[in-house]
Amino acid sequence: EIVMTQSPATLSVSPGDSATLSCRASQSVRSHLAWYQQKPGQPPRLLIYGASTRATGIPARFSGSGSETDFTLTISSLQSEDFAVYYCQQYNKWPPGTFGQGTNLEIK
Amino acid sequence: EEQLVESGGGLVKPGGSLRLSCAASGFTFDSYTMTWVRQAPGRGLEWVSSVSGYSTYIHYADSVKGRLTVSRDNGKNLLFLQLDNLRAEDTAVYFCARVKLDYSDPEGVFDIWGQGTVVTVSS
Repeated sequence: EIVMTQSPATLSVSPGDSATLSCRASQSVRSHLAWYQQKPGQPPRLLIYGASTRATGIPARFSGSGSETDFTLTISSLQSEDFAVYYCQQYNKWPPGTFGQGTNLEIK
Repeated sequence: EEQLVESGGGLVKPGGSLRLSCAASGFTFDSYTMTWVRQAPGRGLEWVSSVSGYSTYIHYADSVKGRLTVSRDNGKNLLFLQLDNLRAEDTAVYFCARVKLDYSDPEGVFDIWGQGTVVTVSS
């Protein structure tokens, strides 16, 4: 099974600044990597798929990059509604589509 | 509006059973593979099971194989998850989700999610 490791576990950033979240796969997943955002009491929301393609309705301040084993989600000019938990997920070998353990993006 | 609504969760004793349902609306249900993902309290996301549009392909996570059964009724736009022989570690919010249809990308991206239904296994 492919193991997805996200870092850091918690990231404290001030509104208006940028945030960079990392995700590493235990083996190559090519570009088959998705990012989700989850707020308390809500289901996950698809942000990015194909490592860098924004899902429908996702603002341009969210961008994804990377391939093979190393991926990054960058959120520029953080808004109050962006503070949430973010999960990466590989789907190169699906099922199972393994998720990372999440990064909690909190207000500094 | 494309929507998924789960129901059927509740409190059940260890060894008991539950049947979860997920009602889909706003899209052509039988065109999509559907999946169940669960989230234990304070934990991350765990894929549980998936079923293709006409139930040709069904998959389960190793952690639930033999105890959970996924099915669907395309005539009623319903997805089901039968949970048997439940254990404390099955306590979680169970989400149903739609697998994104994209002919240029492999399956496995979940683009529409329900709000989830809570399953608590406790004596």
